[in-house]
Amino acid sequence: KAGVTQTPRYLIKTRGQQVTLSCSPISGHRSVSWYQQTPGQGLQFLFEYFSETQRNKGNFPGRFSGRQFSNSRSEMNVSTLELGDSALYLCASSWGVENTEAFFGQGTRLTVV
Amino acid sequence: AQSVTQPDIHITVSEGASLELRCNYSYGATPYLFWYVQSPGQGLQLLLKYFSGDTLVQGIKGFEAEFKRSQSSFNLRKPSVHWSDAAEYFCALAGGGADGLTFGKGTHLIIQP
Repeated sequence: KAGVTQTPRYLIKTRGQQVTLSCSPISGHRSVSWYQQTPGQGLQFLFEYFSETQRNKGNFPGRFSGRQFSNSRSEMNVSTLELGDSALYLCASSWGVENTEAFFGQGTRLTVV
Repeated sequence: AQSVTQPDIHITVSEGASLELRCNYSYGATPYLFWYVQSPGQGLQLLLKYFSGDTLVQGIKGFEAEFKRSQSSFNLRKPSVHWSDAAEYFCALAGGGADGLTFGKGTHLIIQP
């Protein structure tokens, strides 16, 4: 059974640009969550989607958005990139809601220059 | 607000020695608790989880953890570490809602030969 797949693995963007990251969950999983990992702030919850609906969002500005498709694949978008958005973005999938066992992808390393 | 504290930023252990990584949490009820491991440049791998029931839980790679409600702790243990255990270890809490996982800052484990 394939794991959580995140694309691309690495990305370099310029300040002010926007970026879209993709996450394909484990087959059969309907919940996808996104996290930002930085050396200073650690791992922080961005948002969670279940059945194409955003269930909750962490304490991030509106520049961070996401969506989930009918096949459970998810994308997150960051607009007007800032240097501080440089981070490892991790996607996790789980079968259901309420934080059942979550499986993480390898992440997308975003560097903003 | 819920929180997770991992008091030790770095721990150095000799290969073959026992290991205990500390985790304390703050939450108004009994949470779901997890330990994840992250190797450099990789995503998070779930080592073990506690949802309810037996307070001593067994995980993969020979790890175990004990939930102690009275101490609000969920410490990770391994009787004999291997060089391949060198990694970053994260304790995480889920409150049963849609707020995602709350992570500790992590403990960096160094294995001495």
